[in-house]
Amino acid sequence: EPEVTQTPSHQVTQMGQEVILRCVPISNHLYFYWYRQILGQKVEFLVSFYNNEISEKSEIFDDQFSVERPDGSNFTLKIRSTKLEDSAMYFCASNGGGIYNEQFFGPGTRLTVL
Amino acid sequence: AQSVTQLGSHVSVSEGALVLLRCNYSSSVPPYLFWYVQYPNQGLQLLLKYTTGATLVKGINGFEAEFKKSETSFHLTKPSAHMSDAAEYFCAVTRNTGGFKTIFGAGTRLFVKA
Repeated sequence: EPEVTQTPSHQVTQMGQEVILRCVPISNHLYFYWYRQILGQKVEFLVSFYNNEISEKSEIFDDQFSVERPDGSNFTLKIRSTKLEDSAMYFCASNGGGIYNEQFFGPGTRLTVL
Repeated sequence: AQSVTQLGSHVSVSEGALVLLRCNYSSSVPPYLFWYVQYPNQGLQLLLKYTTGATLVKGINGFEAEFKKSETSFHLTKPSAHMSDAAEYFCAVTRNTGGFKTIFGAGTRLFVKA
């Protein structure tokens, strides 16, 4: 069964460092998303991506964040200069056939900023 | 503006009892509504969704939800709780007004007592 994969499962970084979180969506999917979940809190939308461009982004997704689909299979989230408050679980999701369809979530990357 | 409200951050039921998890939404356009479940240390998994058509939708694991436009509600129910239902449940709404975005509720943690 196809699934969304994310690497690494856990990333520890120093404040101010750049991190890149990687996702491989399901191969025939066209819509891609990043979410974050601070420990014990709600799942927060960061950004949606379609047709090689951002469709919508939240107020959390400021200039420190960027997304890219560099090679037609990977979907990456870059945080340029991490802050302590960026510590969270980051989930990638994808769906195909339309935004009203099920989003398939990856297992998440736990980012810890020290 | 679009929002999702889940009443009750924690719900506790006995095994075999009715499960009722409440979700109310606000949306300026017809919403696509979803319930997702999150087991500990895992990503989110779709339980069920409402897009159009029949307002009572059935999902996996015996769950169902009813879309009530007049009440702007999409409550999740299951007639008989099982120990394996213990998890975090998230109601979500997706809308498409040029860009597409999914908003999650704060989540309800379901506890099932033996």
